[in-house]
Amino acid sequence: EAQVTQNPRYLITVTGKKLTVTCSQNMNHEYMSWYRQDPGLGLRQIYYSMNVEVTDKGDVPEGYKVSRKEKRNFPLILESPSPNQTSLYFCASSSVLRETQYFGPGTRLLVL
Amino acid sequence: AQKITQTQPGMFVQEKEAVTLDCTYDTSDPSYGLFWYKQPSSGEMIFLIYQGSYDQQNATEGRYSLNFQKARKSANLVISASQLGDSAMYFCAMREWDGGFKTIFGAGTRLFVKA
Repeated sequence: EAQVTQNPRYLITVTGKKLTVTCSQNMNHEYMSWYRQDPGLGLRQIYYSMNVEVTDKGDVPEGYKVSRKEKRNFPLILESPSPNQTSLYFCASSSVLRETQYFGPGTRLLVL
Repeated sequence: AQKITQTQPGMFVQEKEAVTLDCTYDTSDPSYGLFWYKQPSSGEMIFLIYQGSYDQQNATEGRYSLNFQKARKSANLVISASQLGDSAMYFCAMREWDGGFKTIFGAGTRLFVKA
């Protein structure tokens, strides 16, 4: 089954404790992206990647890191989380040849 | 700077009627794509429809159609024959091809379908 998976689905952490949210897709997509969703703001793009070793900033990259060492994986790293990073996070992927963007189920993060 | 505006925070529609969800955008890039996504209460994001800036015809996908008016920079979603299962949050999004695939979303419109 074609899918984008994210782990963990729910995470409660404390300020400053490094964390990684994993994202994996099994569709051989070139394009992957991370978004955060906050009430009243829609989704805002954090980082995206056009292919392996190619990443670029979205609208809200501060406080986040990403890497794309393999085509299927695109982890999101919070080196020193802060309460304002409490949000719902989505990973997404698509082929550069088609416009359908597949989203993961989301990761709900609470930073205390 | 690119921008997406959805002016309707909430909408009501009677079951089996058609409804239009508004979306306006702003970009200086001649090459872009417009998307609509549905987010039901369960939280997943579901792709509905896509329109490219150079497409001559309005996109359609089943009961969904996109009313693309390029000069007015609007990309309204039309849902025909609304169903109870259409009750959800709907997001308009735009992607510019300026060497990268940066994507921005509108704030969303919550649609309520009444029986």
